[in-house]
Amino acid sequence: AQSVTQPDIHITVSEGASLELRCNYSYGATPYLFWYVQSPGQGLQLLLKYFSGDTLVQGIKGFEAEFKRSQSSFNLRKPSVHWSDAAEYFCAVGSGGGADGLTFGKGTHLIIQP
Amino acid sequence: NAGVTQTPKFRVLKTGQSMTLLCAQDMNHEYMYWYRQDPGMGLRLIHYSVGEGTTAKGEVPDGYNVSRLKKQNFLLGLESAAPSQTSVYFCASSYPSRGQETQYFGPGTRLLVL
Repeated sequence: AQSVTQPDIHITVSEGASLELRCNYSYGATPYLFWYVQSPGQGLQLLLKYFSGDTLVQGIKGFEAEFKRSQSSFNLRKPSVHWSDAAEYFCAVGSGGGADGLTFGKGTHLIIQP
Repeated sequence: NAGVTQTPKFRVLKTGQSMTLLCAQDMNHEYMYWYRQDPGMGLRLIHYSVGEGTTAKGEVPDGYNVSRLKKQNFLLGLESAAPSQTSVYFCASSYPSRGQETQYFGPGTRLLVL
């Protein structure tokens, strides 16, 4: 069965500092990987996704993620965070066809210090 | 385009009561999903549908039923609500293009079962 691990439940970063959120996955075939962001009381918004090709993918809001097959990782990065980035971030893995839904990690809560 | 909408936004039930959550999408998506989100658990798939008239069980289907009578609607039913079903429920939809799946999420329904 597929699974996603987000090792950090909470992360605190100063505004303007760089950010890296970790995601490790377990999947038997080629994974389709996603990062979603959830602001308080809101639904989920897609930040970026990886299906194939270039292992460094760019997303919205200045985020990027790098797929490393050898490490089964798909870490999310941003060079300089803004206070508006404070939110819950979810990594997810899918089978590619979309039919059987996504498996989500438990999320990382990002706190931005002024 | 409204995207994915959910009705109601918030509901309080007493143990044993029944209710139906409605999800509607106007993107002509084939696939639709119901997830529940609990603190520290991420999102877990309850049921999903790959087309009108078809449904399938996800990771946590017990206590829920679903129906997809129309392509644009996906209903989630609780026949006899239990306090363990207190959660935030998210509906999502996607288009079945292999390698291009992106799930679009609704704003969520907060359910409190007393």
